[in-house]
Amino acid sequence: ETGVTQSPTHLIKTRGQQVTLRCSSQSGHNTVSWYQQALGQGPQFIFQYYREEENGRGNFPPRFSGLQFPNYSSELNVNALELDDSALYLCASRGSFDEQYFGPGTRLTVT
Amino acid sequence: DQQVKQNSPSLSVQEGRISILNCDYTNSMFDYFLWYKKYPAEGPTFLISISSIKDKNEDGRFTVFLNKSAKHLSLHIVPSQPGDSAVYFCAASAASGGSNYKLTFGKGTLLTVNP
Repeated sequence: ETGVTQSPTHLIKTRGQQVTLRCSSQSGHNTVSWYQQALGQGPQFIFQYYREEENGRGNFPPRFSGLQFPNYSSELNVNALELDDSALYLCASRGSFDEQYFGPGTRLTVT
Repeated sequence: DQQVKQNSPSLSVQEGRISILNCDYTNSMFDYFLWYKKYPAEGPTFLISISSIKDKNEDGRFTVFLNKSAKHLSLHIVPSQPGDSAVYFCAASAASGGSNYKLTFGKGTLLTVNP
């Protein structure tokens, strides 16, 4: 059984640009969530996808958007990047008993 | 408003002794609680969880205790090993009967186990 994978590992963008982060969920897991972890903080819930539909969203503006594909992989898109968007972005897939398994994350730096 | 609180930013223990990490929550709708361990440059690793219908769950060296009336849970690691040194996050969800598995995390506690 493969784990959650994310790409890229890290990237640097300029304020105002757009970015797409990718996630492949653990085999057989159909619920994917995205989290943002700022330095010194716990992960903050961005949104969740179940069967290609968004079914939960945290306190993030609409410029944070996502997609889930039929194979349950997922994308996080962020438009009009701001300096405060610099963080570790984590993808998680839900297991059989509501536990969530996280990928290694993508480190985004906005300059 | 921080709904999950880990009031100790750090904890240091000797190898072989017990590590006790604490977590408090304010949202009475939370009914499922989890502990994660995180090493630098890695994603959080799931350790152990507990449902609100239980007050204790054990898995090897890790035991989680839940006190619903106090809205408090704790993670016990016995015996502690140097490889346990990491940041530990407490998380909670209110998923019962629904399909939204949003996790609310605390800020984490850095555990250092000294040889």
